[in-house]
Amino acid sequence: DAGITQSPRHKVTETGTPVTLRCHQTENHRYMYWYRQDPGHGLRLIHYSYGVKDTDKGEVSDGYSVSRSKTEDFLLTLESATSSQTSVYFCAISESTEATDTQYFGPGTRLTVL
Amino acid sequence: SQQGEEDPQALSIQEGENATMNCSYKTSINNLQWYRQNSGRGLVHLILIRSNEREKHSGRLRVTLDTSKKSSSLLITASRAADTASYFCATDGGGADGLTFGKGTHLIIQP
Repeated sequence: DAGITQSPRHKVTETGTPVTLRCHQTENHRYMYWYRQDPGHGLRLIHYSYGVKDTDKGEVSDGYSVSRSKTEDFLLTLESATSSQTSVYFCAISESTEATDTQYFGPGTRLTVL
Repeated sequence: SQQGEEDPQALSIQEGENATMNCSYKTSINNLQWYRQNSGRGLVHLILIRSNEREKHSGRLRVTLDTSKKSSSLLITASRAADTASYFCATDGGGADGLTFGKGTHLIIQP
């Protein structure tokens, strides 16, 4: 999986609790992304980062925040989890945003909010 | 909103047959990529075709791109059971905000 790990791989939590998902890469790639995957919706971009401390919102950013204090780590936080945030979350990395570039995905985190 | 839309949503064929999946998109793109996702796993990049290319091959994969129709197709020849997976097209508009994915085609190869 191109040197990308996600933790935890599975998590069950209760509504209203904070949750942090971690993405760690060993590729030293500049760009990192968080997606969520839901039946009937495909993958949707939550947030992305184009460098340390440089982040921006994606299509479905409400209820999520991110941080990137080191090149290798990109954290996704749900400040107060809701049942609508039950999903599979994927982290991806890419070396650049040039037209020829490819994204590499982590194995995913399955989050269930009860 | 989704940029790419795959068609069909599901496809079941016999091993050895060819599988064709289509992707339509709405706005101009820099490139279009196809990814595969096996059940319970992350997405794996298959092939990228640039906006100035019309056809590209990689092993048993053949991708075409028609920018005038805003559509692409992925052909898998001589299918194998291991090709059973979901296939997604993704478009790159050129910004830093990543790819925009379709909802995928679920391909089942019957032995």
